Amino acid sequence: KNQVEQSPQSLIILEGKNCTLQCNYTVSPFSNLRWYKQDTGRGPVSLTIMTFSENTKSNGRYTATLDADTKQSSLHITASQLSDSASYICVVSDRGSTLGRLYFGRGTQLTVWP
Amino acid sequence: EADIYQTPRYLVIGTGKKITLECSQTMGHDKMYWYQQDPGMELHLIHYSYGVNSTEKGDLSSESTVSRIRTEHFPLTLESARPSHTSQYLCASSDDPGQGGRDTQYFGPGTRLTVL
Repeated sequence: KNQVEQSPQSLIILEGKNCTLQCNYTVSPFSNLRWYKQDTGRGPVSLTIMTFSENTKSNGRYTATLDADTKQSSLHITASQLSDSASYICVVSDRGSTLGRLYFGRGTQLTVWP
Repeated sequence: EADIYQTPRYLVIGTGKKITLECSQTMGHDKMYWYQQDPGMELHLIHYSYGVNSTEKGDLSSESTVSRIRTEHFPLTLESARPSHTSQYLCASSDDPGQGGRDTQYFGPGTRLTVL
């Protein structure tokens, strides 16, 4: 069964600290993996997208890694800010259709305290 | 900031009412999507469209219907709302840069629907 599992479910850190969010998937075949940030009451916003051949991608203070062999990805946030408080969603796309079906994780709820 | 809009942002209605959730985008994207998301849960695709006059049902069965008469507009309709329809509904659109499925989805702000 194609699944995307994220951990931890929630995380609280102090402003300025770093953190790493995990994503494990069983989606096959694999096309690409995306990380989204979703602020409360808003739609998700794309942070990074990685294909099979890419093992790291950065977007400012966000760095995503991908190990396609172990089917794991991580999102590292450096020097966290209060505005980083949000849900971070891992999404995996297969190659099974023209649409490239997306499998969504439930997200990690990150709270940054001052 | 993506140019995709949803109205209303919040809607509270009684059981049995007919409602239409509006979604429009000004980016000229052919692909559009509707997702349903409950608190703390993953997004579920309920409808999608490849272009004008093209609509398909998604992975999650839904009693809602959609239409795509214009490229920029993708409304979702519930003929008779029930409490089980209470959820957040997110609309998205994507381009097709020809990169083998690496199109980026742009999401609207969502409509939070409550059916009493």
